[in-house]
Amino acid sequence: VQLVESGGGVVQPGTSLRLSCVASGFSFSGYGMHWVRQGPGKGLEWLTVIWYDGSKTYYIDSVRGRFTISRDNSKNTLYLHINSLRAEDTAVYYCARFVGGDPSGYFDYWGQGTLVTVSS
Amino acid sequence: QSALTQPASVSGSPGQSITISCTGTSSDVGSYNLVSWYQKHPGKAPKVMIYEDSKRPSGVSNRFSGSRSGNTAFLTIFGLQAEDEADYYCCSYVATGTWPFGGGTKLTVL
Repeated sequence: VQLVESGGGVVQPGTSLRLSCVASGFSFSGYGMHWVRQGPGKGLEWLTVIWYDGSKTYYIDSVRGRFTISRDNSKNTLYLHINSLRAEDTAVYYCARFVGGDPSGYFDYWGQGTLVTVSS
Repeated sequence: QSALTQPASVSGSPGQSITISCTGTSSDVGSYNLVSWYQKHPGKAPKVMIYEDSKRPSGVSNRFSGSRSGNTAFLTIFGLQAEDEADYYCCSYVATGTWPFGGGTKLTVL
């Protein structure tokens, strides 16, 4: 099982960004996927989840409307679109696989993370 | 959304045991047997240590134990070792479909 994030970098406030997470080594279409971030010197912050078939999504209140999670099961890829980037979005963004039923389970595999730095 | 409360730091000497608490509400920790615990070393991805309150994934040392009482979950580490020094985070399902983390606890092995 491998999850590889990409798309991070230094971006200006107010711009948009799309993060990707390419999955391999398992049947991607059979698992719910999540995004979690960790700001500098801060704790883990759960952001959003998308069900295995893309039929349902949930967001933490603070990013709803500005972040959009999506997936392309034909490409084994998870995405996170971030609009109107703010300084407080500066963080390492992780994708994580969720194993278990609805809603039981846990995050069993994580990517290495991609760093987003929002700065002018 | 719910906020799970953890102590900012705990410490113990090698061989000792420590317990980290994770306090939520009747809408999260207290409603479901769905608290998981993650160990995070700097620069590394988180690693699950306990799931569904008290279950241990394959490969995780039996020195790690989870429990829950009402709205508070606990992670106990027996026989502390130097490599246990890390940040620990609890996470709980919430009926809104979200999975918030606690603020994290820094474990120092003296």
